[in-house]
Amino acid sequence: DQQVKQNSPSLSVQEGRISILNCDYTNSMFDYFLWYKKYPAEGPTFLISISSIKDKNEDGRFTVFLNKSAKHLSLHIVPSQPGDSAVYFCAASARWGKLTFGQGTILTVHP
Amino acid sequence: DTAVSQTPKYLVTQMGNDKSIKCEQNLGHDTMYWYKQDSKKFLKIMFSYNNKELIINETVPNRFSPKSPDKAHLNLHINSLELGDSAVYFCASSQSKGLAWREQYFGPGTRLTVT
Repeated sequence: DQQVKQNSPSLSVQEGRISILNCDYTNSMFDYFLWYKKYPAEGPTFLISISSIKDKNEDGRFTVFLNKSAKHLSLHIVPSQPGDSAVYFCAASARWGKLTFGQGTILTVHP
Repeated sequence: DTAVSQTPKYLVTQMGNDKSIKCEQNLGHDTMYWYKQDSKKFLKIMFSYNNKELIINETVPNRFSPKSPDKAHLNLHINSLELGDSAVYFCASSQSKGLAWREQYFGPGTRLTVT
């Protein structure tokens, strides 16, 4: 049972435009959500997070939106840059010590 | 000055063999993790150690045994390797205080191939 799902395996965007990555979850006990970014041959790196008591968190070009009623979160990148090309993982937590990850979305930003 | 390092990066071995993957972090973190990225690309937690104490042990076969000699090291030993063990294994670390544990620092991964 995959409790966190990223249904789009890949996304292609033009440089300067907005990238929107989506994530759905099923476990209503999740209270904290994160996005990680991964380059080839490297481990994931933390990007941005949001608590379930909020519906938006912004950090520079990156904004995460949370819709608890729909059990959906999204990551917006504006403007997108070629260096943003990577795999993006959504993750969620309900208990101390355990993150549940989605399967990732490959973002390609074309110059 | 690598934060979280793993050795080896690649590991090719035959079924039935025993192998180990080593992980070291120099961030001063007190919690370390092992994840498995399966063929469907999901990253799944296997084990977590806090101050050398096992705190998370997901449904993992007994053939997998983690060992934490100190807070900076977490090794993974796998006995009697099977074809289904082929995956990328990631080590990670974090601080345990407050919300900090969620922001985990990952190693580059070890690609294990069992033939």
